[in-house]
Amino acid sequence: NAGVMQNPRHLVRRRGQEARLRCSPMKGHSHVYWYRQLPEEGLKFMVYLQKENIIDESGMPKERFSAEFPKEGPSILRIQQVVRGDSAAYFCASSPFEGAGMASPLHFGNGTRLTVT
Amino acid sequence: DAKTTQPPSMDCAEGRAANLPCNHSTISGNEYVYWYRQIHSQGPQYIIHGLKNNETNEMASLIITEDRKSSTLILPHATLRDTAVYYCIVRPRGGADGLTFGKGTHLIIQP
Repeated sequence: NAGVMQNPRHLVRRRGQEARLRCSPMKGHSHVYWYRQLPEEGLKFMVYLQKENIIDESGMPKERFSAEFPKEGPSILRIQQVVRGDSAAYFCASSPFEGAGMASPLHFGNGTRLTVT
Repeated sequence: DAKTTQPPSMDCAEGRAANLPCNHSTISGNEYVYWYRQIHSQGPQYIIHGLKNNETNEMASLIITEDRKSSTLILPHATLRDTAVYYCIVRPRGGADGLTFGKGTHLIIQP
């Protein structure tokens, strides 16, 4: 059973360009989470999605950032008009749908390292 | 979510047991204790989780005190590859919310 797959592993963009980061959850998982880790800092929650729905985007910057998890295909984190401060590692995690009382852990991918030049 | 407190760093000799403490004095009855680790430049790796009973798997053991206000992660025979930042996180049972990562404990295994 393949783990959470993220691509690309490394992405270089010039200021002002768009960055698209992809995440394929583990098979059978319907919840996806995106985290950002700035250099030498901790992991910060960005957004939580289920298929076709954004459940919690409280950690997303208000502008330039968006996320989707379509019915078919991977989840996408999109950053428009990137700036140098967007340089970071972006991690995706997934977990299965489950009812109240369950406690399955999140499983993380190995991230996409975005460098803005 | 309840907050956790961990020492910022610890050393352990290779081959010895590494015991990583975590305080979660405000944990509520429906919150699980999760442990993750992050090896440099990799994604966080799930280790183990528990509610109130001690748990063991192929990676580690988790000892939760009877009052649930603290826990200890035990790596029974630490190797150099166990050098990582270890995170103790509490999360509500049945909650599909994400995890809130603190600063964790930087465990350094010494040869």
